Amino acid sequence: AQSVTQLDSQVPVFEEAPVELRCNYSSSVSVYLFWYVQYPNQGLQLLLKYLSGSTLVKGINGFEAEFNKSQTSFHLRKPSVHISDTAEYFCAYFDDKIIFGKGTRLHILP
Amino acid sequence: EAGVVQSPRYKIIEKKQPVAFWCNPISGHNTLYWYLQNLGQGPELLIRYENEEAVDDSQLPKDRFSAERLKGVDSTLKIQPAELGDSAVYLCASSPGTGGPTDTQYFGPGTRLTVL
Repeated sequence: AQSVTQLDSQVPVFEEAPVELRCNYSSSVSVYLFWYVQYPNQGLQLLLKYLSGSTLVKGINGFEAEFNKSQTSFHLRKPSVHISDTAEYFCAYFDDKIIFGKGTRLHILP
Repeated sequence: EAGVVQSPRYKIIEKKQPVAFWCNPISGHNTLYWYLQNLGQGPELLIRYENEEAVDDSQLPKDRFSAERLKGVDSTLKIQPAELGDSAVYLCASSPGTGGPTDTQYFGPGTRLTVL
């Protein structure tokens, strides 16, 4: 069965520093991968998605992710974070429906 | 354009009581989803509607949960009777297509249910 694993439940990072949120997937068939963000007391919002083609996917709010087939990873990155990036981030895949990982809480330190 | 609207935002009830959540999707969106999000977890699909038809309700606990989407627009999710373990956030989402991988879902803010 397919799955995604978010390796960190929480990630603290200083403001204006770079960040990487890790996600590994397991799959033997077509891979459709997503990153969603959930700001405090809000619903989820799609950051970016990989369906096919270029392995570097750019999303909203300066985020990007790289699909790495050899390492079965889809890590999310941002070169410089802001306080407003404080949120929970979910890696997800599609298998007849969207299946979400457990989430990574990003803490921005002043 | 208005987003997905959910009400109430918060609900506190005692166990064994009934509770209902309401969702109004984005205008024109054919597909509507109800998700359950437990604390510290990602959302899990409960039911998906295409227009008024429930096309995937395999994860809906049918002994106590029910849902409807009359006229293929807004939807209601009901729990009767509620149990302590039902405390969670119930999210509604909608999408313009038929729920495939290219069909972007738009989420409401959720209803946080606390069962005492």
